Amino acid sequence: AQKVTQAQTEISVVEKEDVTLDCVYETRDTTYYLFWYKQPPSGELVFLIRRNSFDEQNEISGRYSWNFQKSTSSFNFTITASQVVDSAVYFCALSEAGNYGGSQGNLIFGKGTKLSVKP
Amino acid sequence: GAGVSQSPRYKVAKRGQDVALRCDPISGHVSLFWYQQALGQGPEFLTYFQNEAQLDKSGLPSDRFFAERPEGSVSTLKIQRTQQEDSAVYLCASRGERSSYNEQFFGPGTRLTVL
Repeated sequence: AQKVTQAQTEISVVEKEDVTLDCVYETRDTTYYLFWYKQPPSGELVFLIRRNSFDEQNEISGRYSWNFQKSTSSFNFTITASQVVDSAVYFCALSEAGNYGGSQGNLIFGKGTKLSVKP
Repeated sequence: GAGVSQSPRYKVAKRGQDVALRCDPISGHVSLFWYQQALGQGPEFLTYFQNEAQLDKSGLPSDRFFAERPEGSVSTLKIQRTQQEDSAVYLCASRGERSSYNEQFFGPGTRLTVL
């Protein structure tokens, strides 16, 4: 069965600190996709990044970076020099690709990590 | 351009009432998903449409839940005889292509409270 575990329920940091959000997943599929979404207090889920299971390159986008390690089934997310506006709940999610990408791809979410960045 | 919209944003229902939640996906998006998010939890899949066809309803928790998308655009999630355990945020998401590689765009959700 597919499963996503975000062991950190809540994290609190002071502005400008770096913070890493952990994500561990389980799947029997050889091809799958991993996502991170941000949910600010307004409630809308905002897409941050997508990763194909065959692409283990780390990615950096501004203050955000992602470390995908297939060997440990982890897809961790780091925010460098955190800001108050980063305060939100962050979700890691998994979807299967199916044969020839034919899976409908409903997302399986972790329980989320609530990040609070204090000034 | 316009994103996914949902209405109402908030709904309070007395136990036993029927409710209808509306989702307007991004224009032209083929795929539409409904998720249920309980307090402090991640969203959980309810049902999936490809155009007007409901291809997967395996996540619907009971036969009191019903979803439709008759013309392949707007979708309605209906809950009959609401119970307190139905209280949650109901999220709608749409996706432009069939491929599960593409990201889903989420609406703001409808927060349902059943008293």
